[in-house]
Order: sequence, then C-alpha cells, then structure tokens
Amino acid sequence: KQEVTQIPAALSVPEGENLVLNCSFTDSAIYNLQWFRQDPGKGLTSLLLIQSSQREQTSGRLNASLDKSSGRSTLYIAASQPGDSATYLCAVNNPNTGKLIFGQGTTLQVKP
Amino acid sequence: GAGVSQTPSNKVTEKGKYVELRCDPISGHTALYWYRQSLGQGPEFLIYFQGTGAADDSGLPNDRFFAVRPEGSVSTLKIQRTERGDSAVYLCASSSTQGGAGTGELFFGEGSRLTVL
Repeated sequence: KQEVTQIPAALSVPEGENLVLNCSFTDSAIYNLQWFRQDPGKGLTSLLLIQSSQREQTSGRLNASLDKSSGRSTLYIAASQPGDSATYLCAVNNPNTGKLIFGQGTTLQVKP
Repeated sequence: GAGVSQTPSNKVTEKGKYVELRCDPISGHTALYWYRQSLGQGPEFLIYFQGTGAADDSGLPNDRFFAVRPEGSVSTLKIQRTERGDSAVYLCASSSTQGGAGTGELFFGEGSRLTVL
C-alpha cells in the first residue's frame, strides 16, 4: 500500500530565505508526482507535475525534483515571500489506479 | 467553465439527514475524482470516474456514501443518514487522461464544507 510522508509538518522562515520541502513515498512504481498549494479554507492549486520519466520541473521560483528509485521528491522555493505562506501537499499517482495518494502536507509560514 | 466548480460551498445539516454535493468538472475532462479532507490532514481518496462509470470506488467509507456521473460530466456525491464524523471538506478534481488512467494533471475545485450537527 502506497504511503506518502511529508517532513517537516510545519516550517517558519524569514522572508528571502531559500527553503526545501520534502516528500517520500513507499512504492516507487508511480506514474507521476504532483505538488499542490492549499490556502486556508480553499481548494488545491496545482504547482508542478513531474512524470515518472522526468527528474525535475521548474516554474518561476519553484523547482521540484523526483528520485523515483529512492522514493523521494523535494520542492525548492527560492527567495521566499510572505505570499508563499500556505500548506504544500505532494501526491503520487500509481499506475492503473487513476488516483492520487496525498501526504499530510507541510504548513509554511514566511515572516516579513 | 474555466475550472472545477463545486456546490454548495458550505452545507450545515443535522445528524441523520440526506446530503447531495455537486461537482461540475472542467469541460472535456473524462476523469473525475472525489476526495475528503479533514482538518490538518491531506485529502483522502473516495471514488474515481472514467466517463460515466466508477472505475475505482474503494475509498468510499461505507454504503451510506454513493456517487453518480450519469452523463459523464457533472457528478453528485450522495451521503445518506449523515453522522457527525462525516463532517469534512469534500473536494472534487478532474483530469484529462488521454493515454490512460494516471497520466494527467488533476485540477481541484474549492470544495464543499460539510458540517453535521
């Protein structure tokens, strides 16, 4: 059974810092991995999608990497801003199931 | 529409009542998913539709929960005899899955917050 773990559960940093959020999964047989952002009381916003054949994806100040064999992904946020404060969720999509399995998220606070 | 639309955004009901939650996916998306999210937790899978049929309903917690997608577009999640433990945010997502299940990016709605008193 696929399990997804995100560490740390919460993180507080001063504005301007670069930071890394971690995601690990137990079954390396995945189709893709997706990182989401969730603001309080809101739905999920897709940030980056990495297919199983890819090593990383970049969007603006965000960079996500994938090491499928070791069951790990990282989300790197450069030059963090207070507007980055939110909960970040990673999810993996297993072959033939069509469903995402989520981690519990990392709640990020960027202090001005 | 431009995104996934869910109604109602908030629903307060009494224990034992029947509830329907609606999801209108992105136009043309063949795959539709229902998830449930409790406070401080990641979303938990409930059911997945490919077209009109439920391809995987293994996440439905019990037979009080049922979902339909009769025309392959709008879906309704139905909860009978609601219990306080059903209180959560119910999220809907859709995906274009050309090439087979599991290959597409999922796009989520804002969710329906259900409170059972």
